[in-house]
Amino acid sequence: AQSVAQPEDQVNVAEGNPLTVKCTYSVSGNPYLFWYVQYPNRGLQFLLKYITGDNLVKGSYGFEAEFNKSQTSFHLKKPSALVSDSALYFCAVITYNQGGKLIFGQGTELSVKP
Amino acid sequence: SAVISQKPSRDICQRGTSLTIQCQVDSQVTMMFWYRQQPGQSLTLIATANQGSEATYESGFVIDKFPISRPNLTFSTLTVSNMSPEDSSIYLCSVTGSGSVYEQYFGPGTRLTVT
Repeated sequence: AQSVAQPEDQVNVAEGNPLTVKCTYSVSGNPYLFWYVQYPNRGLQFLLKYITGDNLVKGSYGFEAEFNKSQTSFHLKKPSALVSDSALYFCAVITYNQGGKLIFGQGTELSVKP
Repeated sequence: SAVISQKPSRDICQRGTSLTIQCQVDSQVTMMFWYRQQPGQSLTLIATANQGSEATYESGFVIDKFPISRPNLTFSTLTVSNMSPEDSSIYLCSVTGSGSVYEQYFGPGTRLTVT
């Protein structure tokens, strides 16, 4: 069965420090991987995606993610965290034969303190 | 990306009643989906809304409980029927982007509380 795991419920980072939000996946076939962010009382906003090509993908708001096929991971990173990055982050995966069905991880609450 | 709106943004309903949620997109889209996000939980796909035909439901979701309509390529409704407190959730519609069927964009969500 296809699945996505975000091993950390919460990540705490000081402003200005680098941040990493972890994601691992288990799928059959080639994965298409996504990161979404959810701010309080708002819908999901698309951050970035990996479909094919360069393993390092860049997205909105200075975020980037690295696809690692051997470790089946797609960790979200940012070199310097902002307080405004505090939100709930979801990793998600689609496979080609799933007709667009997004499978989400359980989410990671990112807290950036001044 | 498409601009997606949902109505209502939130509602408080009594158990046993039904609520219909609307999803409107500002452009024609190929695929529309309905997701549920229970309190403190991740998102779970309810169904794919198919234009002109019956929706395709995921395991654990049935048409009698969550009837869906999609009369055209820009609009869909999800009804939550015979509600119970366990139906209290955020309901989100999503659509695929024009550039890739594997890139989804989400509406702002409808926060439902059942008392």
